[in-house]
Amino acid sequence: QKEVEQDPGPLSVPEGAIVSLNCTYSNSAFQYFMWYRQYSRKGPELLMYTYSSGNKEDGRFTAQVDKSSKYISLFIRDSQPSDSATYLCAMKKGSSASKIIFGSGTRLSIRP
Amino acid sequence: NAGVMQNPRHLVRRRGQEARLRCSPMKGHSHVYWYRQLPEEGLKFMVYLQKENIIDESGMPKERFSAEFPKEGPSILRIQQVVRGDSAAYFCASSPPTSGSTDTQYFGPGTRLTVL
Repeated sequence: QKEVEQDPGPLSVPEGAIVSLNCTYSNSAFQYFMWYRQYSRKGPELLMYTYSSGNKEDGRFTAQVDKSSKYISLFIRDSQPSDSATYLCAMKKGSSASKIIFGSGTRLSIRP
Repeated sequence: NAGVMQNPRHLVRRRGQEARLRCSPMKGHSHVYWYRQLPEEGLKFMVYLQKENIIDESGMPKERFSAEFPKEGPSILRIQQVVRGDSAAYFCASSPPTSGSTDTQYFGPGTRLTVL
């Protein structure tokens, strides 16, 4: 079993829709949770960074963490064609510098 | 403020040759991480370095792979005697000295290695 599970998609939605992306994980030691966006043949770009359970909002993006269920989500409101990319959930155990464990990524396509 | 720099962006090697990948962290960052991404997969941690020290190499293959981050100059990921299975995108990330706050890792554009 992988430490982090993520549906690879692809996920295709019309412009303006609300997108929900999810990951589950098995290791309760994870404390810090991130979402990265990766455009084709580019490096990952950090979108959201959250600690422990709860919600965090930044513009059209909302990250949710439910540690009791070992489940994290990213919501994108008013989706735009420019949001089309692969979204990678990621997590790590400590606040100090340490390795990040990534999900395999969900490929998202926003149809104009 | 320049981001993480990696070069070359594309590297082609024949089986048995050596590959050297370079990474210059963001200004002020002293921690460097290397990750490998196979096609259609997420990123897999390889190694975490600080200047002149390897902190965590738990993701490095036991043979042919090595990494360094010298006092001066970029971090180098070295792959000796490459095989076709080494073909992948190799990403470098950097983070600032730990301050107790979020030590976010910022990624470079990657080096795409193709082994013929």
